[in-house]
Amino acid sequence: QVQLVESGGGVVQPGQSLRLSCAASGFSFSDYAIHWVRQAPGKGLEWVAVISFNGRNKYFGDSVKGRFTISRDNSKNTLYLQMNSLRPDDTGVYYCARPITTGGFDFEFWGQGTLVSVSS
Amino acid sequence: QSALTQPPSASGSPGQSVTISCTGTSSDVGGHNYVSWYQQHPGKAPKLIIYEVTKRPSGAPTRFSGSKSGNTASLTVSGLLAEDEADYYCSSYAGNNREVFGGGTKLTVL
Repeated sequence: QVQLVESGGGVVQPGQSLRLSCAASGFSFSDYAIHWVRQAPGKGLEWVAVISFNGRNKYFGDSVKGRFTISRDNSKNTLYLQMNSLRPDDTGVYYCARPITTGGFDFEFWGQGTLVSVSS
Repeated sequence: QSALTQPPSASGSPGQSVTISCTGTSSDVGGHNYVSWYQQHPGKAPKLIIYEVTKRPSGAPTRFSGSKSGNTASLTVSGLLAEDEADYYCSSYAGNNREVFGGGTKLTVL
């Protein structure tokens, strides 16, 4: 069955960096675009970024553009989110999500999430 | 990119139907037939229940249905069950390889 497992979350100070990972299994990882979606404590969902199946195309939400980068290693079935210049409003649970269709934006499968806390 | 507008709360009694709206613009909801709805229980990851406005993914109960008119999409839950009490989020493709979510609606089953 499809599984997505995030890791790498933790507590960091403002301005610091963190790298999240998402290990995928149960499907052909290299066929699918994969997304990051986050949720601040007690708040709604926010789309963060997407990377194409081959890693060539990457798109970001306005609030993280220029600070976050997304990458993938298809040989390891793993997705990454490099987060730099972190701010308190980046605090939240970060989910990786796989769409129903290979390049879609409708998220059929989600990981359990990893918590990022940015605080001084 | 502004979030889509959802009512903060909705409620209904068991067996009743309830509809949740999701209002965007011609750049997102109105311009694309790629509206999705997610159900989220406390402490859990969201679950896709509607995609491409009206389609249900495998395993999603048939009591969930979606529609769209102009810049507003709607989710209808028919025959409410206690287990339907959750937060519901809409989302829409917003062009230029971006997605936008609504602020969420807390559904209470009375």
